[in-house]
Amino acid sequence: GESVGLHLPTLSVQEGDNSIINCAYSNSASDYFIWYKQESGKGPQFIIDIRSNMDKRQGQRVTVLLNKTVKHLSLQIAATQPGDSAVYFCAENIIQAGTALIFGKGTTLSVSS
Amino acid sequence: DGGITQSPKYLFRKEGQNVTLSCEQNLNHDAMYWYRQDPGQGLRLIYYSQIVNDFQKGDIAEGYSVSREKKESFPLTVTSAQKNPTAFYLCASSIPQGNEQFFGPGTRLTVL
Repeated sequence: GESVGLHLPTLSVQEGDNSIINCAYSNSASDYFIWYKQESGKGPQFIIDIRSNMDKRQGQRVTVLLNKTVKHLSLQIAATQPGDSAVYFCAENIIQAGTALIFGKGTTLSVSS
Repeated sequence: DGGITQSPKYLFRKEGQNVTLSCEQNLNHDAMYWYRQDPGQGLRLIYYSQIVNDFQKGDIAEGYSVSREKKESFPLTVTSAQKNPTAFYLCASSIPQGNEQFFGPGTRLTVL
């Protein structure tokens, strides 16, 4: 069964606000956690990843936080823009298992002007 | 241009017919994947291949088959044994065990 999931299926924000998308996981053996963005009618696109021995990683306008104590992952998007409207998936990678990424169900982010 | 392509974008088939979805990549990736996505759902893994001439079942392999005769190609056949084949199918590729999978544009299959 799935070991990665998201707290809320939808999130609506105003343009310019900061967005926080959450994800809970259950497998402590995961080596990496990854965020993907999927725009309507397209394939998902990699945003950022974080190794399991880190607690924070920053990219361009995005920050991923990892709390291993409570098995929680979040994606923060600064100054959200209409182009950020998409479905966001978290995923986990267990390198030793030799399997594919395990994706969660996704959160739909809607940004209004 | 390097990338991953899927064809066709839309596909209609009658119930009971087998159909093959194409996936080609020129990224020189060893690993390739097939996912199924239903409305409002996440990605469910059908099959994956870490290397040519080898592939493994994912979580929902029943009613599907694949081949990996060439590094660049990983076609998926949706057989008549698949009970509910109407869905959006996504192909991806990556370096082995990579975090970044590169996805194709997807094929929307509708079985009438």
